[in-house]
Amino acid sequence: DVKVTQSSRYLVKRTGEKVFLECVQDMDHENMFWYRQDPGLGLRLIYFSYDVKMKEKGDIPEGYSVSREKKERFSLILESASTNQTSMYLCASSHRGDTGELFFGEGSRLTVL
Amino acid sequence: KNQVEQSPQSLIILEGKNCTLQCNYTVSPFSNLRWYKQDTGRGPVSLTIMTFSENTKSNGRYTATLDADTKQSSLHITASQLSDSASYICVVSEQTGANNLFFGTGTRLTVIP
Repeated sequence: DVKVTQSSRYLVKRTGEKVFLECVQDMDHENMFWYRQDPGLGLRLIYFSYDVKMKEKGDIPEGYSVSREKKERFSLILESASTNQTSMYLCASSHRGDTGELFFGEGSRLTVL
Repeated sequence: KNQVEQSPQSLIILEGKNCTLQCNYTVSPFSNLRWYKQDTGRGPVSLTIMTFSENTKSNGRYTATLDADTKQSSLHITASQLSDSASYICVVSEQTGANNLFFGTGTRLTVIP
């Protein structure tokens, strides 16, 4: 069974803390994505990676960075968490090519106090 | 401007009834249209993917239609079950790349006994 696994389902952090969200896929996908999902706004792309060590900014990269050192792993980093980063974070992966089906992880709900 | 709009925002139906969800888009050039089901607190799961040349696609009790001329899609759910209660998200892919996906804000469906 194909899988995208996110390291934490629920996190509570304090303002200013550094936060790591990890995502691992077992499908040998080239593309990996980080989205955030907020009520009424739908999914918004934070960062996208199409290969190891390659990354592209999405629509809302401010306040975030990413790391892709291995093909199967894509990490999202919040250098200094703020309350407006409280959200559901979704990782996804797909094969190269724009018709590639997106496979999502279960999501990480982050609350920043 | 590339956009995806879904209607209605929310819907409540009785178990066993049918329903239809709508998706209108302005994305161009068009590559494919996807419907995802997202249970509360979980990641989205793909239901169907349709390319320009496909005008209907079924997945069990779910049937998606696509009219590429009017840029409209619908998702029809037959004989609804309580487990169909979820958000349904329409996603349209632009031809220019794997990261050019445009997400609707979803329709929240509640099936009541």
